Amino acid sequence: GAGVSQSPRYKVAKRGQDVALRCDPISGHVSLFWYQQALGQGPEFLTYFQNEAQLDKSGLPSDRFFAERPEGSVSTLKIQRTQQEDSAVYLCASSPSGRGDYGYTFGSGTRLTVV
Amino acid sequence: GENVEQHPSTLSVQEGDSAVIKCTYSDSASNYFPWYKQELGKRPQLIIDIRSNVGEKKDQRIAVTLNKTAKHFSLHITETQPEDSAVYFCAASIKGGYSTLTFGKGTMLLVSP
Repeated sequence: GAGVSQSPRYKVAKRGQDVALRCDPISGHVSLFWYQQALGQGPEFLTYFQNEAQLDKSGLPSDRFFAERPEGSVSTLKIQRTQQEDSAVYLCASSPSGRGDYGYTFGSGTRLTVV
Repeated sequence: GENVEQHPSTLSVQEGDSAVIKCTYSDSASNYFPWYKQELGKRPQLIIDIRSNVGEKKDQRIAVTLNKTAKHFSLHITETQPEDSAVYFCAASIKGGYSTLTFGKGTMLLVSP
């Protein structure tokens, strides 16, 4: 596609519910990142994939968070047993390069609200 | 890990004035410094970036300067227009072959007509 696509755009979850957020990166992009953006804050790194390999998951806040990119294209971020502190915008970004010094293209994000 | 500080948190200017946003970083190994513009409810968009082998880069009304010794970099917007109003984020790449970005907390720029 022409850009990074994320779905759903908005998600309201009851506390304790599991959610799955989807990211379709730009076709052919090697690198895929997930970031969490709390209200009024900058994006914070969650995890990184190079093709299908998850090379860094050091930013995932707890073992309730899990991400995958099984075929090196679409990625899913799953949050189990959601808590109120998980409320944030979840941004996906992709880059054509496997190197870091290349501008990402971000998706529009999924706004998760846990009630 | 890397830490990026950004100032000011809000900046109000009159149309036509210049705006300057400053960032400092902590990890001397950082080598890539992009700036993103985020309008309300929209995705962050890359507006300009600079690499550590360059001291300054300009693109029309936008320029970025980098001082590696002092570990700070700045965004300069000249002849501001109301459509420049948005939140601006600086970022720095941390050490690593793929280098995730560490972002500052953002600066809300308001340009009044």
